[in-house]
Amino acid sequence: DAGVIQSPRHEVTEMGQEVTLRCKPISGHNSLFWYRQTMMRGLELLIYFNNNVPIDDSGMPEDRFSAKMPNASFSTLKIQPSEPRDSAVYFCASSFLFYEQYFGPGTRLTVT
Amino acid sequence: KQEVTQIPAALSVPEGENLVLNCSFTDSAIYNLQWFRQDPGKGLTSLLLIQSSQREQTSGRLNASLDKSSGRSTLYIAASQPGDSATYLCAALNTGNQFYFGTGTSLTVIP
Repeated sequence: DAGVIQSPRHEVTEMGQEVTLRCKPISGHNSLFWYRQTMMRGLELLIYFNNNVPIDDSGMPEDRFSAKMPNASFSTLKIQPSEPRDSAVYFCASSFLFYEQYFGPGTRLTVT
Repeated sequence: KQEVTQIPAALSVPEGENLVLNCSFTDSAIYNLQWFRQDPGKGLTSLLLIQSSQREQTSGRLNASLDKSSGRSTLYIAASQPGDSATYLCAALNTGNQFYFGTGTSLTVIP
């Protein structure tokens, strides 16, 4: 398996623009997690899905953030409108039945 | 709410030394505990997973232990090498299906 796939790997955008991050989990995994990592706050869980259903989105910072998982092999994290404080590395991870988590390479987002 | 702490935040050792990284958690009702390494600018790589019913797991030069009653896990690295230099994070999975990450220990192994 290719592991968790994320795209794009780097994204530079201007404040106010919409940003969409994409994730393809490992085939057969039924849980998917979106994290954000910054130097100041470390690794934060934003939202996780189980069997394509959002279970806990309490980590989503505000209504500008939304996430979807239309099927077992694809998820998106959208920020609209983006702000400079959203600059971070966004990770997607997947697991089977909340066992070992496998992380993607991350998307480095810079909002100017 | 579960709180996960890793001490020290940074550690520097000479090559060949055995070392221990510590991870403490406040809520002992965990489902499992997972250790990761993160290289600069990279994602997290899973090292070891310990289920709540287990006491330890081993992989090569790495050995992770779990003591739920004391709320502690340790990662032992034998005969450290410069390639072991990275940030090591632990994550506790609560029975409520929530993962909680520590802030990590940055390890530097000096040749």
